[in-house]
Amino acid sequence: DAGVTQSPTHLIKTRGQQVTLRCSPKSGHDTVSWYQQALGQGPQFIFQYYEEEERQRGNFPDRFSGHQFPNYSSELNVNALLLGDSALYLCASSSGGTQYFGPGTRLLVL
Amino acid sequence: KQEVTQIPAALSVPEGENLVLNCSFTDSAIYNLQWFRQDPGKGLTSLLLIQSSQREQTSGRLNASLDKSSGRSTLYIAASQPGDSATYLCAVKTNQAGTALIFGKGTTLSVSS
Repeated sequence: DAGVTQSPTHLIKTRGQQVTLRCSPKSGHDTVSWYQQALGQGPQFIFQYYEEEERQRGNFPDRFSGHQFPNYSSELNVNALLLGDSALYLCASSSGGTQYFGPGTRLLVL
Repeated sequence: KQEVTQIPAALSVPEGENLVLNCSFTDSAIYNLQWFRQDPGKGLTSLLLIQSSQREQTSGRLNASLDKSSGRSTLYIAASQPGDSATYLCAVKTNQAGTALIFGKGTTLSVSS
């Protein structure tokens, strides 16, 4: 059984660009959450998707948007990238219980 | 607003030592608490999850305790090994199913041989 997968593993962008990160949940999971982890910090909750709707959102600007597809996979989009958006972006999936995390996407904004 | 604090931020111990990592949270109305391990630049691996009605959970050399009334949890690691070197994160889920995890900044553990 494949766990949570994320793509790409690493990404380099320049300020002002847009980026899309992808996540495939663990088999049987219908809920996907996204977290941002800056260097030396704990993960910060961005938003959570369930049944293709954003169910909860953390304290992030609307430059951060997402989508969940009928197969429960999800995308995180970030527009107008800032240097401060450089971080490890983690996806977690669940089905009402424990969240299982993917390996993350390392984003570097230059 | 729920806040999670982990002390110490870093810890170095010789192999074989028993150790305790601490986690505190400001709002006792939690749904559950979870301990994770993170290797450098990697994702999170769940170690132990304690429901709000439980006092402790054990897995191998790891034991996690929860005291909701005092807003504290500890992760006890017995007979530490170099392979235990990693960052350990504590996270709480507030008193609603399906809501976000709120993380501490973690404790970075180094076990020397």
